[in-house]
Amino acid sequence: RKEVEQDPGPFNVPEGATVAFNCTYSNSASQSFFWYRQDCRKEPKLLMSVYSSGNEDGRFTAQLNRASQYISLLIRDSKLSDSATYLCVVSGYQAGTALIFGKGTTLSVSS
Amino acid sequence: GAVVSQHPSRVICKSGTSVKIECRSLDFQATTMFWYRQFPKQSLMLMATSNEGSKATYEQGVEKDKFLINHASLTLSTLTVTSAHPEDSSFYICSARPLLGLGNTGELFFGEGSRLTVL
Repeated sequence: RKEVEQDPGPFNVPEGATVAFNCTYSNSASQSFFWYRQDCRKEPKLLMSVYSSGNEDGRFTAQLNRASQYISLLIRDSKLSDSATYLCVVSGYQAGTALIFGKGTTLSVSS
Repeated sequence: GAVVSQHPSRVICKSGTSVKIECRSLDFQATTMFWYRQFPKQSLMLMATSNEGSKATYEQGVEKDKFLINHASLTLSTLTVTSAHPEDSSFYICSARPLLGLGNTGELFFGEGSRLTVL
């Protein structure tokens, strides 16, 4: 079983649509959770951290279910600029712990 | 936010040559840096963890004699791809995270990546 698994994608949606990405992780000891965004041929950039209580940042909402080892990202009112690959990422807590990446889910928003 | 700088961003070399990639944390000290590799349409795969002042820890399947890592200071780690071959062509990305505290969230900051093409 892969450490971090994501929806295979790609997701092709029109502008204004709501889209949800799911992710599961295998290591129950994981402590930190993130969604990163990666544009084509660029390095990943942090989109948002994911907290146990769930958190929202504008049009983006992240949820974490530790019992099910499940993470989600909801994007409302999709914009053309949201087109990218979204990476689900988990890690331990210490600074010396690497992040483990999912394969990513590609989102394409069209007009 | 924290900045990680990576150089060179792009390199093309002949098969059999060695290539060195530098990774610097510009505004924080990093006792640990991470090197990832990403093939087209694949996820980032951790290659090794670079530890300042000690040997790097390599992931299973990554040849330590081929991918030499040196972390000589708290702000610099280097990855040298020795005797590069076409199958080593990939996107190499370094990363580091500031020590927790002072509002740090554990976020990992990435260099811009180095795209290696071996002819």
